[in-house]
Amino acid sequence: KAGVTQTPRYLIKTRGQQVTLSCSPISGHRSVSWYQQTPGQGLQFLFEYFSETQRNKGNFPGRFSGRQFSNSRSEMNVSTLELGDSALYLCASSFTGTENTEAFFGQGTRLTVV
Amino acid sequence: TQLLEQSPQFLSIQEGENLTVYCNSSSVFSSLQWYRQEPGEGPVLLVTVVTGGEVKKLKRLTFQFGDARKDSSLHITAAQPGDTGLYLCAGSLWGNEKLTFGTGTRLTIIP
Repeated sequence: KAGVTQTPRYLIKTRGQQVTLSCSPISGHRSVSWYQQTPGQGLQFLFEYFSETQRNKGNFPGRFSGRQFSNSRSEMNVSTLELGDSALYLCASSFTGTENTEAFFGQGTRLTVV
Repeated sequence: TQLLEQSPQFLSIQEGENLTVYCNSSSVFSSLQWYRQEPGEGPVLLVTVVTGGEVKKLKRLTFQFGDARKDSSLHITAAQPGDTGLYLCAGSLWGNEKLTFGTGTRLTIIP
């Protein structure tokens, strides 16, 4: 069974630009969560989607948004990029995303804002 | 304030030694998971513990969930260089699908 696929793996953008990251979950998984990982802050929860609906949201500004499609694939978008947005963005998929459901991560997208 | 605090933050030991990593919180979790992450990769799930007091063994790794479901520990016996990585605990609060991650322990095993 294929794992979680994130594209692209690496991305370099300029301040003020916008970026879209993609995540294809494991087949059959309906929950997709996004995380931002930086050396200083660790893994921070961005949002979670289940059946095309945002079910949970972390404490990030409105520049960070996401969506999920009917095939469970998800995208996240960051507008008006800032230098501080440089990070590893991780996507995790799980079957239902309920309390005891295990999450499986993709390899991440390394975003560098210059 | 982090919901899940891990200690130590950094640990560097010789191959063959034993070590324990801790994950503590003031909140009660319905389940707790441990992940290992290598540089440039996503975290990989090692184990899930769901019952207070539960102990799970995975070869040389022993995981324990505290009786009160507020803390967990990971013990590695006879550490090997392949155990090097960032160890993360993560928990789910009751009635909340969001997975909260700990601060992480960066482990280095010296050959």
